[in-house]
Amino acid sequence: RKEVEQDPGPFNVPEGATVAFNCTYSNSASQSFFWYRQDCRKEPKLLMSVYSSGNEDGRFTAQLNRASQYISLLIRDSKLSDSATYLCVVKSSGTYKYIFGTGTRLKVLA
Amino acid sequence: ETGVTQSPTHLIKTRGQQVTLRCSSQSGHNTVSWYQQALGQGPQFIFQYYREEENGRGNFPPRFSGLQFPNYSSELNVNALELDDSALYLCASSLPPQGTQYFGPGTRLTVL
Repeated sequence: RKEVEQDPGPFNVPEGATVAFNCTYSNSASQSFFWYRQDCRKEPKLLMSVYSSGNEDGRFTAQLNRASQYISLLIRDSKLSDSATYLCVVKSSGTYKYIFGTGTRLKVLA
Repeated sequence: ETGVTQSPTHLIKTRGQQVTLRCSSQSGHNTVSWYQQALGQGPQFIFQYYREEENGRGNFPPRFSGLQFPNYSSELNVNALELDDSALYLCASSLPPQGTQYFGPGTRLTVL
């Protein structure tokens, strides 16, 4: 079983739609969680960290469920510019290694 | 932009050759991590350098090696290249080692 699992998609949604991605992780000692965005053939860019109480940044909301070992990303009012691959990242406490999922592809259609 | 730079942008090598990739960390960041991203996959951790020493290593063979310099820039060396080494190589800088990592634009390596 992979340490971090994501549905690869693609998720094709119309502009203005709300879309949600989930990511599951296997190591219960994981302490830090992030969502990175990666455009085609570019580097990953930090979208947001995920906090235990959940957090929001504009149209983006991230949630953490430790009991079920998953994190989620909700995008409201999707824009064409949101089309990208969204990478779930997990890190255990005191370590330096980021463990990435394979990413979920999102295509927002006009 | 993150301020992390990598060179070269693209590289084509043949099997058996050796390659050196370079990374300059964001100003003030003392830690560099290297990742390999194959097509359609997420980045895989290769190793991390902190204060010029290897600070942890992923599941990569010894022909993957690295260096960090006093100015915190870093090199990734790969010997005896194999076809499967074709990938995007990413470096990320952070402060401290456990801090949030910011990625450079990557070097795309093709092994023929």
